[in-house]
Amino acid sequence: AQSVTQPDIHITVSEGASLELRCNYSYGATPYLFWYVQSPGQGLQLLLKYFSGDTLVQGIKGFEAEFKRSQSSFNLRKPSVHWSDAAEYFCAVGTNTGGFKTIFGAGTRLFVKA
Amino acid sequence: EPEVTQTPSHQVTQMGQEVILRCVPISNHLYFYWYRQILGQKVEFLVSFYNNEISEKSEIFDDQFSVERPDGSNFTLKIRSTKLEDSAMYFCAGRRQATYEQYFGPGTRLTVT
Repeated sequence: AQSVTQPDIHITVSEGASLELRCNYSYGATPYLFWYVQSPGQGLQLLLKYFSGDTLVQGIKGFEAEFKRSQSSFNLRKPSVHWSDAAEYFCAVGTNTGGFKTIFGAGTRLFVKA
Repeated sequence: EPEVTQTPSHQVTQMGQEVILRCVPISNHLYFYWYRQILGQKVEFLVSFYNNEISEKSEIFDDQFSVERPDGSNFTLKIRSTKLEDSAMYFCAGRRQATYEQYFGPGTRLTVT
């Protein structure tokens, strides 16, 4: 069965420090991978996606993610975190069944300290 | 840029009442979805819909739930008899043919009292 694991429930980083959020997926075929961000009480905003090609993908707000097939990982990175990046981050995998539903990880809440 | 819209943004209802959550997908989208997120938890798939039929539904989507696209524009989720545990944020999403990216609406927060 398809699944997504985000091992860190929450992470705290200092403003200006680098960030890496971990994501591992379980999926038998070629995965379609996404990172979403959700501010409190808000909807889901797509940060970036990977379907094929270059395994390092760039997204909005200075985020990037690297797909590593051998490790079944799709970690999200940002070189310098801003206070406005504090939010919940969800990794997700798109499946090719059921009209392509999306399966989400449990999320990682990012806290940014001054 | 076109967006998915959802109404209402917040719905409060009493246990046992019927609710209908509405979504207006982007006009050229052909696949539609409902997801829910219980407070503090992850987003869970409920149902996918294509060509006026359910493509797949999760275990959560029991007989109390139904979906329809009554007029070719709105996409609705009905809960016939709400329970306290139905309290959650409900997200609608859509995608175009031959793409993999889903566009999510802002969500409807349902509170069952």
